[in-house]
Amino acid sequence: GENVEQHPSTLSVQEGDSAVIKCTYSDSASNYFPWYKQELGKRPQLIIDIRSNVGEKKDQRIAVTLNKTAKHFSLHITETQPEDSAVYFCAASGADFGNEKLTFGTGTRLTIIP
Amino acid sequence: NAGVTQTPKFQVLKTGQSMTLQCAQDMNHEYMSWYRQDPGMGLRLIHYSVGAGITDQGEVPNGYNVSRSTTEDFPLRLLSAAPSQTSVYFCASSWTGFDQPQHFGDGTRLSIL
Repeated sequence: GENVEQHPSTLSVQEGDSAVIKCTYSDSASNYFPWYKQELGKRPQLIIDIRSNVGEKKDQRIAVTLNKTAKHFSLHITETQPEDSAVYFCAASGADFGNEKLTFGTGTRLTIIP
Repeated sequence: NAGVTQTPKFQVLKTGQSMTLQCAQDMNHEYMSWYRQDPGMGLRLIHYSVGAGITDQGEVPNGYNVSRSTTEDFPLRLLSAAPSQTSVYFCASSWTGFDQPQHFGDGTRLSIL
């Protein structure tokens, strides 16, 4: 089955600086890569996703890049703000029957230092 | 439109007891799934359903049962609670697959003594 590794497990950045979280996946058939944000005591919520036919996607201060050859994808947050403090999870899903389930990384706790 | 509703929010059980975690969605989603979240381990899939009457196992199904008699409801049953099942449980739904945004409930925090 799919295996998703996420690094780093914790990340602290000064407010206004950029944050980058990286994930690698094992199944070359995976073709959907979402990122979820989970604030303390809250539900995970989708913040951005990318499909394998696209190399990069941006939404305001958030961007995701995908390198299918190397099987890794990254979340970039620019101009960080205190409300960006949360745990971020990457995930991967395939399209073929039997590997279509969503596999999550172990999470990155991002702390924005005012 | 309430989205995904989970009950209860908190529960304490004794080892060996059974209980059912409830999950309901009002978005007419076909896919529903249950995850458990443990510190440092992310979200792990327990069971999922691709439509009423159809369920399948995820990554960590042992000790849990599910059924899907309606599109709206997807209860998770703990047959004989064990301390290793202490966790936060999330239910999620999506339109027609895992390759779409998952809508999560607020979670159930379960402690097994």
